Amino acid sequence: DAKTTQPTSMDCAEGRAANLPCNHSTISGNEYVYWYRQIHSQGPQYIIHGLKNNETNEMASLIITEDRKSSTLILPHATLRDTAVYYCIVRENYGGSQGNLIFGKGTKLSVKP
Amino acid sequence: DGGITQSPKYLFRKEGQNVTLSCEQNLNHDAMYWYRQDPGQGLRLIYYSQIVNDFQKGDIAEGYSVSREKKESFPLTVTSAQKNPTAFYLCASRSPGQGLYGYTFGSGTRLTVV
Repeated sequence: DAKTTQPTSMDCAEGRAANLPCNHSTISGNEYVYWYRQIHSQGPQYIIHGLKNNETNEMASLIITEDRKSSTLILPHATLRDTAVYYCIVRENYGGSQGNLIFGKGTKLSVKP
Repeated sequence: DGGITQSPKYLFRKEGQNVTLSCEQNLNHDAMYWYRQDPGQGLRLIYYSQIVNDFQKGDIAEGYSVSREKKESFPLTVTSAQKNPTAFYLCASRSPGQGLYGYTFGSGTRLTVV
């Protein structure tokens, strides 16, 4: 499984875009990039995932470099409720009931007023 | 509404005692998972089950046991053999129709050994 490297912590001003980087230089061709976040003392929540194209949903955008060795999660207008630990996970997109998520330490994002 | 229910939210255990954490889901998901989280750390996989009456060890299964007698339920027993059980425990489930983006997590049980 490809390993990921994320900064330990980041700050962002409320209303500004939060850009969270993730390095995954050993990613293989069939591995996806997933982002989950965990608000304090709650279970993680899915945000977005992608293979090689950039992706956008109602929560965030995911930008994956052309060589796929790094990616950036973008929260376009961060709010105080976006304060959480953000996990970047690289895994195959197992179908059926196979496979499981492997979590690192993530990035602690603090959104400040 | 469908979801995962973990109980209790807080649990205190004396050293040497076994304790069982409950996890129930009404999402009709086949796969269920137990993770452990220590302060400032990521989640580590304890056990997972892909189907009823079957389960596999995760990365840190020693000192834990599980059962999967019903699709809806995946209880975790923390035994006296677990040397450092104080942690935050999270249960999750996933539909076979979805990839790894389809995880649903419970709200967790915080276990403290006193």
